[in-house]
Amino acid sequence: AQSVSQHNHHVILSEAASLELGCNYSYGGTVNLFWYVQYPGQHLQLLLKYFSGDPLVKGIKGFEAEFIKSKFSFNLRKPSVQWSDTAEYFCAVNAKGSQGNLIFGKGTKLSVKP
Amino acid sequence: GAGVSQSPSNKVTEKGKDVELRCDPISGHTALYWYRQSLGQGLEFLIYFQGNSAPDKSGLPSDRFSAERTGGSVSTLTIQRTQQEDSAVYLCASSPRTGDGFGYTFGSGTRLTVV
Repeated sequence: AQSVSQHNHHVILSEAASLELGCNYSYGGTVNLFWYVQYPGQHLQLLLKYFSGDPLVKGIKGFEAEFIKSKFSFNLRKPSVQWSDTAEYFCAVNAKGSQGNLIFGKGTKLSVKP
Repeated sequence: GAGVSQSPSNKVTEKGKDVELRCDPISGHTALYWYRQSLGQGLEFLIYFQGNSAPDKSGLPSDRFSAERTGGSVSTLTIQRTQQEDSAVYLCASSPRTGDGFGYTFGSGTRLTVV
């Protein structure tokens, strides 16, 4: 069965600091990978996704993620965070070619201090 | 519509009562998903519908939970004899279809509180 691990429950950074949120998945086959963001009081939004091609994926608001197949990882990065990046971030996976649902990690809460 | 619409946005119910939660997906989206979001637990898959295929009910936590999708569009999640552990935010999402690379569009959720 597929599973997703997000190792950091809560990350606190100052503005302009660099961000890296860890995501590891457990699945033996090929996968599609996603990062979703939930800003306070808002619904979940797609931040970026990987399904083929360049393993370095760029998303909205300056976020990027790198798929490293050998490490089963899809870490989210941003060079310089802003206060407005305060949100909860969810990594998700599904098996390529499947008809199945997305499996989500438990989320990482990011707090950015102004 | 322009987005996924869920109603009600908040529901407080007494333990033992039945509740119905509604989801109106994006027009033309054939795949519809229900998830439950509890504090510190992330998103727990409940059920999904794809077109006219039989739904995947593998995530429903008990037989008190059921869902239907009428006419391939609106879906209703029903929880019978609610328990306090059912308190959570229930999220609905839709996508053009299942398959590679399609992310979901989520609704704002229904916050269910069982007292």
